[in-house]
Amino acid sequence: QKEVEQNSGPLSVPEGAIASLNCTYSDRGSQSFFWYRQYSGKSPELIMFIYSNGDKEDGRFTAQLNKASQYVSLLIRDSQPSDSATYLCAVRGNDMRFGAGTRLTVKP
Amino acid sequence: EPEVTQTPSHQVTQMGQEVILRCVPISNHLYFYWYRQILGQKVEFLVSFYNNEISEKSEIFDDQFSVERPDGSNFTLKIRSTKLEDSAMYFCASQKAGVSNYGYTFGSGTRLTVV
Repeated sequence: QKEVEQNSGPLSVPEGAIASLNCTYSDRGSQSFFWYRQYSGKSPELIMFIYSNGDKEDGRFTAQLNKASQYVSLLIRDSQPSDSATYLCAVRGNDMRFGAGTRLTVKP
Repeated sequence: EPEVTQTPSHQVTQMGQEVILRCVPISNHLYFYWYRQILGQKVEFLVSFYNNEISEKSEIFDDQFSVERPDGSNFTLKIRSTKLEDSAMYFCASQKAGVSNYGYTFGSGTRLTVV
């Protein structure tokens, strides 16, 4: 079974703080890694993808990948109340598998 | 921005009935997927479809389920003899060809309620 594990949270941070979201995966053959944001009752929305070890930055978001440790993370800088959502880690091998998500709350 | 369109947005059906969920992927996308999300649970892979055939399917996608691309634009998921536990949000997704490192674009989903 190819597992993608996330801390379910909830994770609560004050507005303006850095939110750190973590994900581990079991399939060493995984090729690419994704972070999706899902608001309650809505579909997943792609935030970032990464496929090389290291960091990838896009605006307030930074994805980090360590294939040796089978670990992916997402940092959200200057967190805003509108960032409050569930963040899904997804890992792609032959198909894309999702973690259960981490619920983030940003308090004004 | 191009969208994946799913209809209906909400379907209520009686246990044992057949349902067809419909999706119109983005027009230049060639890879298509169905996922489901039971309320409060994670997004689960059902099936991927490329070149008019299933390329991967999960253990959830048993003989009760089938997919079809009946014409050049629609992609359907049929669930035969629905069960209460089939109640979930069903998401269609598509991906452009030749960009395997890109994520999928998801539709807004069909909420299926089996009563």
